[in-house]
Amino acid sequence: AQTVTQSQPEMSVQEAETVTLSCTYDTSESDYYLFWYKQPPSRQMILVIRQEAYKQQNATENRFSVNFQKAAKSFSLKISDSQLGDAAMYFCAYSNDYKLSFGAGTTVTVRA
Amino acid sequence: DTGVSQNPRHKITKRGQNVTFRCDPISEHNRLYWYRQTLGQGPEFLTYFQNEAQLEKSRLLSDRFSAERPKGSFSTLEIQRTEQGDSAMYLCASSSRGAIVVADTQYFGPGTRLTVL
Repeated sequence: AQTVTQSQPEMSVQEAETVTLSCTYDTSESDYYLFWYKQPPSRQMILVIRQEAYKQQNATENRFSVNFQKAAKSFSLKISDSQLGDAAMYFCAYSNDYKLSFGAGTTVTVRA
Repeated sequence: DTGVSQNPRHKITKRGQNVTFRCDPISEHNRLYWYRQTLGQGPEFLTYFQNEAQLEKSRLLSDRFSAERPKGSFSTLEIQRTEQGDSAMYLCASSSRGAIVVADTQYFGPGTRLTVL
């Protein structure tokens, strides 16, 4: 079974600054996808970014980028120019077939 | 594209009662998933459907839980004889199976929050 570990329960960032969330995973597969999902308080989970394991280039979506280190099984998320609307719980997830395996999440607070 | 919808959004019930939740996926999506999320934790996989076929059930899904997806459209999740430990957010997600991709991108609904008193 695949396990996903997010070692930072909470992170705080000043508005307009950068914050990096860490994620490690365990798998014996060579081909898989990794995802970061955002879940604002009392709102639905939305996809932030995804990375295909066979791609060496790190994915980027506007202010969100990842640092994917396949050999180290590490998949961190960088949020640049943080905004108040980025405050949420962020989940790292792994999939190599039909189901997602999630980490426990990191709560991000943004200070004005 | 109206997104994944779930009803009801909140359900409060007494222990021992039966409850049923509904999920309407994105219309062209052929895969549908149910997850359970307890407070402060990541979602855990319960079951998934490809069209109307239920292809896998997690060991988390006890005999009191049943899910259906008639005609491959909406899905229902029923919990019989609810217990306090069933209190959680029940999330539905859907995806469109790609021909060559290893894994789909799943889109989530807002969830149904169940409280068992």
